[in-house]
Amino acid sequence: DIQMTQSPSSLSASVGDRVTITCRASQSISSYLNWYQQKPGKAPKLLIYAASSLQSGVPSRFSGSGSGTDFTLTISSLQPEDFATYYCQQSYSTSLTFGQGTRLEIK
Amino acid sequence: QLQLQESGPGLVKPSETLSLTCTVSGGSISSSSYYWGWIRQPPGKGLEWIGSIYYSGSTYYNPSLKSRVTISVDTSKNQFSLKLSSVTAADTAVYYCARIITMVRGQGWFDPWGQGTLVTVSS
Repeated sequence: DIQMTQSPSSLSASVGDRVTITCRASQSISSYLNWYQQKPGKAPKLLIYAASSLQSGVPSRFSGSGSGTDFTLTISSLQPEDFATYYCQQSYSTSLTFGQGTRLEIK
Repeated sequence: QLQLQESGPGLVKPSETLSLTCTVSGGSISSSSYYWGWIRQPPGKGLEWIGSIYYSGSTYYNPSLKSRVTISVDTSKNQFSLKLSSVTAADTAVYYCARIITMVRGQGWFDPWGQGTLVTVSS
């Protein structure tokens, strides 16, 4: 299986901050990387697919970049509704795997 | 818009088989562009992909669960189902179903997701 490692595991930030979350794959996955946001008690929501494509309806303050083994999710200016847990997921392999999650908390 | 809804028992005894169904509404499960998947999340933990199915019945399973998992599809009912055998407390989780937008072989991203259903394994 391809292992996905996110960093940091948790992060404290303030409204208006620029935040970056990193996801690293155990082998090259080209651009087959997707990002999700999950709020407590809710299902995950797709934010970014294919490393950098913004899902319809997702605010433009979210962006994704990277290829190969290293990827980033950036929130350009944190809003109150962005405090949540974020997961990356690789779709390079037929055995799909997620990162362990990054919890974004209010400072 | 497309909606998915999980259903099934919320409590399963150890060593028994967990059975869940996902009902798809607002679209056809027989679309050639999509796979359909199951994902689970133990309380307070991360997401784990369980397996995926195409409307033709082609499946992919998580290698760590493969010996215990069966996913099937019923196109006449626009549903797909999960069976997980020989469950233990470690299988206690919220189980989600989701559509997989895929280019090939079920490799893609999950959107949308069902609301999830908590299944507890306990005697």
